[in-house]
Amino acid sequence: DARVTQTPRHKVTEMGQEVTMRCQPILGHNTVFWYRQTMMQGLELLAYFRNRAPLDDSGMPKDRFSAEMPDATLATLKIQPSEPRDSAVYFCASGLVELAHRPWGRSGELFFGEGSRLTVL
Amino acid sequence: TQLLEQSPQFLSIQEGENLTVYCNSSSVFSSLQWYRQEPGEGPVLLVTVVTGGEVKKLKRLTFQFGDARKDSSLHITAAQPGDTGLYLCAGGGYQKVTFGTGTKLQVIP
Repeated sequence: DARVTQTPRHKVTEMGQEVTMRCQPILGHNTVFWYRQTMMQGLELLAYFRNRAPLDDSGMPKDRFSAEMPDATLATLKIQPSEPRDSAVYFCASGLVELAHRPWGRSGELFFGEGSRLTVL
Repeated sequence: TQLLEQSPQFLSIQEGENLTVYCNSSSVFSSLQWYRQEPGEGPVLLVTVVTGGEVKKLKRLTFQFGDARKDSSLHITAAQPGDTGLYLCAGGGYQKVTFGTGTKLQVIP
């Protein structure tokens, strides 16, 4: 059963500490998104990759956040240093975009992981 | 940035009632999607609509894409407690997928 896997599921840390969240996208998917969800802001797009190349990271605070895809099976989101306002649930999602015809793949479906709940004290 | 506004923000209804959730934008979308999210989980796709005026049915759920492809609606007939969750519309097509503000639905038995 193919699924997006995120680690850790929960993380509590102190302000100023480095936090790294990891995501294993579904094998064969060529697009990976990072979202942050809070009660106030809803689901915010932080960054996304296609074929491991970053296409847009304009939603991320550049001074403290960084996102990478070292290989096709791993996407990382790092926060350094973390702040209390970073507390949120971070979701990774993957999908398959076929560039030939439709604007968004065969079904346009994003598959989400279960999220990483981050609490920064 | 293409913004998607959803209404209502919260909805609490009795089992058996009907409801409609709206998703509106000032931008034109090549396609719109509806997701449902349950507590502690990520959103799960319900449907994708791609043609202006399109209507899709999924059991008791009816989805409509506006003629101008700027808005969409989700209608639930005879709501059940299992329909409880956060409903999110999403759009963006090829470039990036952004989500609406969400509608939190509670169906009371």
